[in-house]
Amino acid sequence: KAGVTQTPRYLIKTRGQQVTLSCSPISGHRSVSWYQQTPGQGLQFLFEYFSETQRNKGNFPGRFSGRQFSNSRSEMNVSTLELGDSALYLCASSGGGPDTQYFGPGTRLTVL
Amino acid sequence: AQKVTQAQTEISVVEKEDVTLDCVYETRDTTYYLFWYKQPPSGELVFLIRRNSFDEQNEISGRYSWNFQKSTSSFNFTITASQVVDSAVYFCALSDNNQGGKLIFGQGTELSVKP
Repeated sequence: KAGVTQTPRYLIKTRGQQVTLSCSPISGHRSVSWYQQTPGQGLQFLFEYFSETQRNKGNFPGRFSGRQFSNSRSEMNVSTLELGDSALYLCASSGGGPDTQYFGPGTRLTVL
Repeated sequence: AQKVTQAQTEISVVEKEDVTLDCVYETRDTTYYLFWYKQPPSGELVFLIRRNSFDEQNEISGRYSWNFQKSTSSFNFTITASQVVDSAVYFCALSDNNQGGKLIFGQGTELSVKP
């Protein structure tokens, strides 16, 4: 089975721009969760989508949003980028519920 | 509130030494799940093990072993006969029944195994 894929792998943007990251889950998985990893804050949960509905949300501003499509692929959008948004963004997929999450390789976003 | 603490920020050992990574968790839920993930320099989080709160049986898998103790809220991970390829950041994580897709991570322990 193919693993979780994320595109793009690297991204450089400037402050004020917006960005969209994509995540394709493992075949058959219906849940996709997103995490932000920074040296200062560590790994923090952004949100989870299950069957096209946001089921859980972390403590991030409204500039961070996401969606999930009928094929379970998910996108994450960050608007009005700030320098502090520079991070590794990881997505994970699972069958739903408290199932084990399997992570993709991440998208490294740099905001200049 | 849920919390995971990995008190060891960095550990450095010489190849073939045994090393134990500590993890202490806090949760008010009676049903919860604990995980260990490994993050090599490439950045991808690799799943290692999962334990359910109602299963305190400890496990050994090759050079890896895990010690889950509810009485002390600890879920420690031991690598025996460490190898250079074990060098990575190791994360302990927690989730509960009500927040299925949300993992709470510890700050991670960076393990360096020197030849």
